[in-house]
Amino acid sequence: KQEVTQIPAALSVPEGENLVLNCSFTDSAIYNLQWFRQDPGKGLTSLLLIQSSQREQTSGRLNASLDKSSGRSTLYIAASQPGDSATYLCAGSMNTGFQKLVFGTGTRLLVSP
Amino acid sequence: DAGVIQSPRHEVTEMGQEVTLRCKPISGHNSLFWYRQTMMRGLELLIYFNNNVPIDDSGMPEDRFSAKMPNASFSTLKIQPSEPRDSAVYFCASSPYGQPQHFGDGTRLSIL
Repeated sequence: KQEVTQIPAALSVPEGENLVLNCSFTDSAIYNLQWFRQDPGKGLTSLLLIQSSQREQTSGRLNASLDKSSGRSTLYIAASQPGDSATYLCAGSMNTGFQKLVFGTGTRLLVSP
Repeated sequence: DAGVIQSPRHEVTEMGQEVTLRCKPISGHNSLFWYRQTMMRGLELLIYFNNNVPIDDSGMPEDRFSAKMPNASFSTLKIQPSEPRDSAVYFCASSPYGQPQHFGDGTRLSIL
């Protein structure tokens, strides 16, 4: 059974720091990977997705990379802001579409002004 | 774009009662997903539909849980009878087939 671990489980940083969130899969045979953001009381918002032929994606201050050989992904957040405070979840799809997602345990991020 | 709409947003009921959660997917999306989120187990896929047909229900925990999608614009997740351990946030998501999913804001369910 696929298990997804995210490290750290929680992170508290001052505004302006660059930070890295980690995600690892016990089974490296994943096709696509997504990073989501979840705000309290809300659903998930997709931030970045890396499709099977890609190794990384960038959007603004966010960069995500995927190493399929090791089953590891990282989410890099540059120049963090208080508005980045949320829980970040990674998810891998075990088939060619984005149908059967397996989610990580999440990293709760707090960015202080 | 109205997004995925779930109702109710919050539900508190006593154990043994029937609970029905509702979901309206984004118009034009032909895949629909039900998830459960708890502190202990995180976010788990319960069941998903393509073109109103259940494709994979291997995540449904017990026979007390059932899901239906009578048409392209409506789905229900039913728990009967409910138990305290069913307390969780239940999310519905939809997507065009094979594309990234869009999530609703969830239903927070408390079984007393």
